[in-house]
Parts: sequence; structure tokens; C-alpha cells
Amino acid sequence: DGGITQSPKYLFRKEGQNVTLSCEQNLNHDAMYWYRQDPGQGLRLIYYSQIVNDFQKGDIAEGYSVSREKKESFPLTVTSAQKNPTAFYLCASSMGPAGLVGGYLSSYNEQFFGPGTRLTVL
Amino acid sequence: GENVEQHPSTLSVQEGDSAVIKCTYSDSASNYFPWYKQELGKGPQLIIDIRSNVGEKKDQRIAVTLNKTAKHFSLHITETQPEDSAVYFCAAFMFSGGYNKLIFGAGTRLAVHP
Repeated sequence: DGGITQSPKYLFRKEGQNVTLSCEQNLNHDAMYWYRQDPGQGLRLIYYSQIVNDFQKGDIAEGYSVSREKKESFPLTVTSAQKNPTAFYLCASSMGPAGLVGGYLSSYNEQFFGPGTRLTVL
Repeated sequence: GENVEQHPSTLSVQEGDSAVIKCTYSDSASNYFPWYKQELGKGPQLIIDIRSNVGEKKDQRIAVTLNKTAKHFSLHITETQPEDSAVYFCAAFMFSGGYNKLIFGAGTRLAVHP
């Protein structure tokens, strides 16, 4: 089956600890994304990567870090610098970069989401 | 900044009725508008999308309409069923904060009662 997997499904962390959330995709997608979801709010972009070995900050990158050493993997580390880390974290991927191709919006912009990881800080 | 507003935040309908969710966006250059359905404890699933070169798109009981002049788009679900109960998110693809990205609405919790 092709898809996006995230692990673990539930994660508990003590204050002051760093934790790493896993995201793997076997869709052969170039672009990958991390979002944070809080109750009653839309998804907010943390980091995104358009290609291997490259990534950019999203709207709420402070307190988070990522790496993109392999095309299929985009792990997110929640550091102790993140003041309010309790949330539902969603990973997504799309076939191509999030942008225009030849002046036209390509179909590559369809984003597919993983099942999410719920992080709770104790 | 750029944003997407979604209404209503909650919607309750009887099975068989229609449901309509509306979104407005701020960037007139936006040209891709997906809708996602999220069931409890799961990631969002793309259910339908529309691009700015069309005004309406249908897929069985689901349809999306787009009014670029007014900068709003809507999701229409006909003949609702209990399994349609979920949170629905609209999004708009726009250039904001120095890069292209999807901006999401806050979501609509739809409850379909048998």
C-alpha cells in the first residue's frame, strides 16, 4: 500500500525534553510538510521541504527542527524551546514543489496527509 | 496577513438533508481550493478541489462552487448520511509570508443525525 505513515500515534513528553516525530512516505513525492493542529483552529505550517537536503521554515517554526536526508523521510523534532508543544501534528506530502510550474499551477499541489501524532507534554 | 475564513463552525443536519459550508479568502491571486474531511483522530483526506479556471465541480454527492469575483467558495453535500459526520476544512493556495502555501480555514464540524 502506498501512503504516508507517522509514528508514534500518541507521544508523551516531560517538560524540557526533546522528542522526534517520524514521517515516512512511499509515494515518491518530492515535497513534504509538517503542520500543527490545535482545537478549533486550522492547520498551521511548521516546516516544509521541496526536495531532499532542503527545507524552509513555515509560519510557526520556532522551537522545532527538521531534516530531509532521504526523499521518503521528514522527521520533526520538538525541542524544549517550544513553549506550548501539546498538539496534534500532521505530516503531508505532494508530488512536486508547492509552486507554479511554467506559469501555471500544477497538479503537484495536491497534498496528502498522514494519520497524525498526538503529542502531550506532562 | 492572508487568511481564509470558514463558516459555520458547527453544522447539524438530518440525514438526507443538504449541507453547505462557505469559505472566503483574502488573496485574489489564489487559484487552487481544496476541501478536506477529517474524521476523529485521523489525518485530513482530500475530498474535492477546484481550480480558478472553473466555477463548479461535482463528484457524486459532493460539489464545490467558486466565485472569484467575490473571493468565496462553498462545499455542498447532498443527501447527507451519518458517515458524512466529520470536520471539514477548506483551504486556499496563495503566496504569503514569502512563499507559496496552503492557508486553511478553521474547520466546520458537521453532524448528520439519523
